[in-house]
Amino acid sequence: NAGVMQNPRHLVRRRGQEARLRCSPMKGHSHVYWYRQLPEEGLKFMVYLQKENIIDESGMPKERFSAEFPKEGPSILRIQQVVRGDSAAYFCASSLTAGTGNEQYFGPGTRLTVT
Amino acid sequence: GENVEQHPSTLSVQEGDSAVIKCTYSDSASNYFPWYKQELGKGPQLIIDIRSNVGEKKDQRIAVTLNKTAKHFSLHITETQPEDSAVYFCAAPSRAAGNKLTFGGGTRVLVKP
Repeated sequence: NAGVMQNPRHLVRRRGQEARLRCSPMKGHSHVYWYRQLPEEGLKFMVYLQKENIIDESGMPKERFSAEFPKEGPSILRIQQVVRGDSAAYFCASSLTAGTGNEQYFGPGTRLTVT
Repeated sequence: GENVEQHPSTLSVQEGDSAVIKCTYSDSASNYFPWYKQELGKGPQLIIDIRSNVGEKKDQRIAVTLNKTAKHFSLHITETQPEDSAVYFCAAPSRAAGNKLTFGGGTRVLVKP
């Protein structure tokens, strides 16, 4: 049973370009969370999605960032017009349910470097 | 929202000794507390969790304790081994839809052989 998959594992973008990060949840999981980790820091929540719905985007910057989780295919975190401050590791987690005590399992992350 | 504080930020122990990491949280309604281990270049791995209906949970060399009155919980690693060297994060969920996790700042554990 494959775990959470993310690709690419490493992504280099020049300032102003777009970055697309993909996440496939664990089999049977329909709840996806995106977190960002700056160097030497903890993880910060960005957005929570269920299939075709954004449930909570309170941690995501209002501009340049968007996320989706279509009916078919992986969840996508999209960053437009990237800046150096976007350089970080982006982790996706999935859970089977959304109730209290839902166990979240993380993928290996995408390390974004903006040059 | 939830606020999670984690101490210490770094911890160096001799192989075979115990390691203890402590976290406090702010939301008294929180009732689920996971611990994650993150090795260099990898994603966080869920290693143990505790729910508020129990005060302690053990899994081989790892144990977690919870004090709901004081709003703190701790991770205990006994008989540490070099492969325990990693960054450990505690977390607590918010009451928002989906129970997004708020993480502590992390503890870098180094086990010296």
